[in-house]
Amino acid sequence: GAVVSQHPSRVICKSGTSVKIECRSLDFQATTMFWYRQFPKQSLMLMATSNEGSKATYEQGVEKDKFLINHASLTLSTLTVTSAHPEDSSFYICSARRIATNEKLFFGSGTQLSVL
Amino acid sequence: DAKTTQPTSMDCAEGRAANLPCNHSTISGNEYVYWYRQIHSQGPQYIIHGLKNNETNEMASLIITEDRKSSTLILPHATLRDTAVYYCIVRLPESYSGNTPLVFGKGTRLSVIA
Repeated sequence: GAVVSQHPSRVICKSGTSVKIECRSLDFQATTMFWYRQFPKQSLMLMATSNEGSKATYEQGVEKDKFLINHASLTLSTLTVTSAHPEDSSFYICSARRIATNEKLFFGSGTQLSVL
Repeated sequence: DAKTTQPTSMDCAEGRAANLPCNHSTISGNEYVYWYRQIHSQGPQYIIHGLKNNETNEMASLIITEDRKSSTLILPHATLRDTAVYYCIVRLPESYSGNTPLVFGKGTRLSVIA
C-alpha cells in the first residue's frame, strides 16, 4: 500500500514557540491531505483539509491563524502550530489518498506534541 | 454525527476469535461499511470494507446482516498485537465520495489478553 510519512514522531517544545509537522506521501502524489488531532482516549477529530496550491479548509472551531497549513507540492503538506500552549498538546495525524484514484485513505504514523 | 454505534470496550483471550459488533441502522443503500483500527500512538490502519456480502481478507472477516443495519468484524485468531481501537465507519465508497476525509466515531477498545 501507499506510504504516508510524518515527521517528527514526537516533539516537546516550550510554551510560546512554534512547531512544524511534516506529512509526506512517499510513493504517490496527493492533491489533498487531511489533518486530524487526537486527545488522549478520544477519537480522531478532523482539523483541516490541505489542498495543494490553494488555501486549506478548516473545520469549525479550528483557528486558521494558529494552525498554519502549507501544501506547496503534491507530496508534502506541513502543519505549523504557532505560539503553542499546553492545551495544544495532542497527537496530530495526517492522511492522504493517491491522486485521481479510488484508493483508500492512508494515514501517517502521527506526531505527539507536548507543550511545556 | 456518528452514524454507527459500537461498544466502548471488549476483551478477548489470545488465540480466540474477536467479534466486534457495529450498529448502523440508518445506513443508506449505497453506503459501505469500513473498518479501521488504531494501535496505540499510531495512525489508523485500514482493515476491510463491504457493501452487503460477507468479506474476508488476510486480516479479518466482515459479516453484514441481510438488512444491513449491523455488522461484525471478526479477527479469527486474536493476538496481543491486535490490541487496538477499532472504528466502524459508514460512508460512500471512494468512487462516489471523491476526496473526502474519514469521520471517526468513538470506536471499540479491544484488549487481547494472554
